[in-house]
Amino acid sequence: GAVVSQHPSWVICKSGTSVKIECRSLDFQATTMFWYRQFPKQSLMLMATSNEGSKATYEQGVEKDKFLINHASLTLSTLTVTSAHPEDSSFYICSASQGAAKNIQYFGAGTRLSVL
Amino acid sequence: QKEVEQNSGPLSVPEGAIASLNCTYSDRGSQSFFWYRQYSGKSPELIMFIYSNGDKEDGRFTAQLNKASQYVSLLIRDSQPSDSATYLCAPLRSGGSYIPTFGRGTSLIVHP
Repeated sequence: GAVVSQHPSWVICKSGTSVKIECRSLDFQATTMFWYRQFPKQSLMLMATSNEGSKATYEQGVEKDKFLINHASLTLSTLTVTSAHPEDSSFYICSASQGAAKNIQYFGAGTRLSVL
Repeated sequence: QKEVEQNSGPLSVPEGAIASLNCTYSDRGSQSFFWYRQYSGKSPELIMFIYSNGDKEDGRFTAQLNKASQYVSLLIRDSQPSDSATYLCAPLRSGGSYIPTFGRGTSLIVHP
């Protein structure tokens, strides 16, 4: 149980375009979803936390107008990278937690974004 | 700035040996500590977590916590080549938060 599906796994886009990444909890209701970014050889950096039906809480330094997060249902959250630039190229990972066990996060497989 | 420090490695051990991975953290209020394993190009997967001072064993893995020293470690007994990965230490932020702060991880190589 506790499977999180992330799609796409790999995307290449042109500079200036927008990219949407989906994160789904397949067998549980995710009350909270998290979005991370990881550059090579670096740690996971939390970008934002989202709760179903409410606005995402962004970490300091993360541009909310550039990284749009929507958590419209208990099983789906999306991250849209708007007007992507080469410096946005990174590994984006979502995770989800359920119910009272918010401490336990289940990770998606990640999305590798390359902006040309 | 709350930080998590881990030796980046690589830590190289022979198959069958005990691998010892260490982590120190600066957030004195952290109460819960998680260890994740991350294979190259993959997302992290939870190995185990520990809340109380002392040792916690789960199969070949043992987590050790010393809150006074702000130190947490992970021991892997009978190391296997399949254990070769990066191990991430992730204490939860203080104040009852459920949000982890990840270290950069220690790369472990288990050679046959």
